[in-house]
Amino acid sequence: QKEVEQNSGPLSVPEGAIASLNCTYSDRGSQSFFWYRQYSGKSPELIMFIYSNGDKEDGRFTAQLNKASQYVSLLIRDSQPSDSATYLCAVNTGGFKTIFGAGTRLFVKA
Amino acid sequence: GAVVSQHPSRVICKSGTSVKIECRSLDFQATTMFWYRQFPKQSLMLMATSNEGSKATYEQGVEKDKFLINHASLTLSTLTVTSAHPEDSSFYICSASGMASGAYEQYFGPGTRLTVT
Repeated sequence: QKEVEQNSGPLSVPEGAIASLNCTYSDRGSQSFFWYRQYSGKSPELIMFIYSNGDKEDGRFTAQLNKASQYVSLLIRDSQPSDSATYLCAVNTGGFKTIFGAGTRLFVKA
Repeated sequence: GAVVSQHPSRVICKSGTSVKIECRSLDFQATTMFWYRQFPKQSLMLMATSNEGSKATYEQGVEKDKFLINHASLTLSTLTVTSAHPEDSSFYICSASGMASGAYEQYFGPGTRLTVT
């Protein structure tokens, strides 16, 4: 069974610190990888996606992908209390088939 | 990013009645749309995948006769919860996916909170 694993958290970081969120996946043939943010009571919002090994930066967010290790991460620099949310890792395993992780709760302390 | 709307945002209905939820992609043609359900403090659960003009593919354990999905056009999919019961009360979220980027990313609607009394 294809799986996407995330630590449920909560991950607590002080304001201004770097938050590091991690995700592993089981299907070695996966091609594209996504990070979504979900605030409590709201629907998920796409932050960024990555499909090549290495880093991809977008503002304060950096996605990192290591296909050999089947590992994808999201770094949030200069964390703000408004970044407090659940972060969902999602993996596309082919065509429109995408598997979502259960999410990591992030809490940024002011 | 792409915009997906959902209507209604909140609905309360009596047990035994049916409720229709609409999902629209506003600024792109969605080849495929997805319907999810999420209970409080739990993860997203995929219910079904729908492609325009064809029958939806339901996930294991989801009753296709209870959750009717119609994907009439490249911008509209509907979910009808038939004969709703209190245990169907949940947050229903649709998403739409295109292929423009090649990554098959999904854009989510704002969700519909269903309460069955």
